[in-house]
Amino acid sequence: DIQMTQSPSSLSASVGDRVTISCRASQIISTYLNWYQQKPGKAPEVLIYAASSLQSGVPSRFSGSGSGTDFTLTISSLQPEDFATYYCQQSYNAPFTFGPGTKVHIK
Amino acid sequence: VQLQESGPGLVKPSETLSLTCIVSGDSISHYYWSWIRQPPGKGLECIGYIYYSGSTNYNPSLKSRVTISVDRSKNQFSLKLSSVTAADTAVYFCARHAGEAAGGTHFDYWGQGALVTVSS
Repeated sequence: DIQMTQSPSSLSASVGDRVTISCRASQIISTYLNWYQQKPGKAPEVLIYAASSLQSGVPSRFSGSGSGTDFTLTISSLQPEDFATYYCQQSYNAPFTFGPGTKVHIK
Repeated sequence: VQLQESGPGLVKPSETLSLTCIVSGDSISHYYWSWIRQPPGKGLECIGYIYYSGSTNYNPSLKSRVTISVDRSKNQFSLKLSSVTAADTAVYFCARHAGEAAGGTHFDYWGQGALVTVSS
């Protein structure tokens, strides 16, 4: 299985801050990397697919970059509704594995 | 497109967990469909997926206990997980693979999730 790691595991930030979350795959996965946001009691929702493509309806403050093994999710200006847990997920090889998550807290 | 999981919320140890995902708003045809689970307070794990034609792929860590099936006439697919233990307690999600591919894609529609507790 491809192992996914994320850093940090949690962070505290204020509204308006720029936030960056990193994700690393245990082997090269090209750009087969997706980012999801999950709020408590809800299903995850895709934000970014194929490393850098913004899902329809997702605000443009979310962006993704990277290829190979290292990827980044950036929130350019954190909004109150962005406090949630973020997961990366590789779709290069089944089983399609997720990172352990990054929880974004209010500072 | 809407997905809705249904099934018992409580299963006894050593028994079989059974869930169904009812798909509405689109045909189940021409897509891949996954089961994903999340133990309380933990991360997400892909259990396996099925194509509308019936071909399947299971996570090797669960393969010996998992069966995923599809019923095109009812526009639904199902999960069976046998010999459950407390470690199988989780919220179980069903999800659709975007586009007509198994890999190289993302999960674009999800069910709301169904909490299944394994306890006597």
